[in-house]
Amino acid sequence: EVQLVQSGAEVKKPGESLKISCKGSGYSFTSYWIGWVRQMPGKGLEWMGIIYPGDSDTRYSPSFQGQVTISADKSISTAYLQWSSLKASDTAMYYCAKVVAASPYYFDYWGQGTLVTVSS
Amino acid sequence: SYELTQPPSVSVSPGQTARITCSGDALPKQYAYWYQQKPGQAPVLVIYKDSERPSGIPERFSGSSSGTTVTLTISGVQAEDEADYYCQSADSSGTYEVFGGGTKLTVL
Repeated sequence: EVQLVQSGAEVKKPGESLKISCKGSGYSFTSYWIGWVRQMPGKGLEWMGIIYPGDSDTRYSPSFQGQVTISADKSISTAYLQWSSLKASDTAMYYCAKVVAASPYYFDYWGQGTLVTVSS
Repeated sequence: SYELTQPPSVSVSPGQTARITCSGDALPKQYAYWYQQKPGQAPVLVIYKDSERPSGIPERFSGSSSGTTVTLTISGVQAEDEADYYCQSADSSGTYEVFGGGTKLTVL
């Protein structure tokens, strides 16, 4: 059974750094892209970017390029999303999801989400 | 940047048919996908490649494509189908994936 288990909710202050995680199991972690999706409070889904854990090839949506860093540690089947300096506007639910490498890419399995709250 | 346009809301009575549209210039060239998101839950894929249904998704969910518009159809709507629905596709080059703005389906 494919499972993506995300790290717990975070409360941070503006300017702080943060790294959230997503651990995959039940499939070959290094053989499938994994992605991140943002959902701001009361808003829709936004495609942030994806990473191929096998070789760490990473592709960002233009809106998120330079704003976040996506990484993966294939030795522990875990993908990460990190910020170096959080802003209040980063407050959102963040989902990781396993990618189907079709054309275009899409998500077939999703994590439970990690709520990030940034407030002074 | 590329955009997919969905109606903000659709309302139907139980047992009726709900149709949710998604429009985008690249849809004649790119497949579309549909996700269902219930309150407080992660999204779930309900349609892939315009009209294919993943295993475990009820047969009342179907998808179709015509020109620059794709449509998610839910036949015999049930109360449990009340949710937000998002289409997803990519720009004409297939470089950037995007979601539509989402449609809230209300079952009256």
